[in-house]
Amino acid sequence: EVQLVESGGGLVQPGRSLRLSCAASGFTFGDYAMHWVRQAPGKGLEWVSGINWNSGSIGYADSVKGRFTISRDNAKNSLYLQMNSLRAEDTALYYCAKDSLTRSGWSDFDYWGQGTLVTVSS
Amino acid sequence: DIVMTQSPDSLAVSLGERATINCKSSQSVLYSSNNKNYLGWYQQKPGQPPKLLIFWASTRQSGVPDRFSGSGSGTDFTLTISSLQAEDVAVYYCQQYYRTPYTFGQGTKLEI
Repeated sequence: EVQLVESGGGLVQPGRSLRLSCAASGFTFGDYAMHWVRQAPGKGLEWVSGINWNSGSIGYADSVKGRFTISRDNAKNSLYLQMNSLRAEDTALYYCAKDSLTRSGWSDFDYWGQGTLVTVSS
Repeated sequence: DIVMTQSPDSLAVSLGERATINCKSSQSVLYSSNNKNYLGWYQQKPGQPPKLLIFWASTRQSGVPDRFSGSGSGTDFTLTISSLQAEDVAVYYCQQYYRTPYTFGQGTKLEI
């Protein structure tokens, strides 16, 4: 069974940093691209960042480019999101999502975690 | 960026009736080299993460009931629920994965 478990969320002051983690199991993690998607309270879905299977291709939403860094450790079956210079508008539930294609670009997201809540407030 | 616009924003349908949700992209998401539309549909129930229903615009994800279907090509797409069940109450999102940044529609809230 595919499982994605996010952690690392919490309350943080504006301008500070936070690192999210996603622990994956139930599939060959190193074969798939992975993504972070966020959802502000009561709002819709926003893709944040994606990384391909070997970290050779990475993308970011314009809203986080230059502040957030996605990375992965295939040996640890883990995905990360380093979030710096956090702003109030970054407050959201952050989901880790698995891409559905094996080692061939990016596509739709076939499994999602339950999310970890990040609140940016003074 | 490719802008995804769904209509309507909310929809109320009687049990057993058909529900139709539309999604329009600001540019084509049809990749000519493989003739695939890079468009997916997701269902999100309250307090839950999104669930993939449809990919490549019209392929049903494994385990998804066959009352859900997707159609369309290029810039105009439709999600149809042929006979609405109580458990289908949710917010539905379309998403393009043709080009980053990947973008979602604003969501359509489906009620009984």
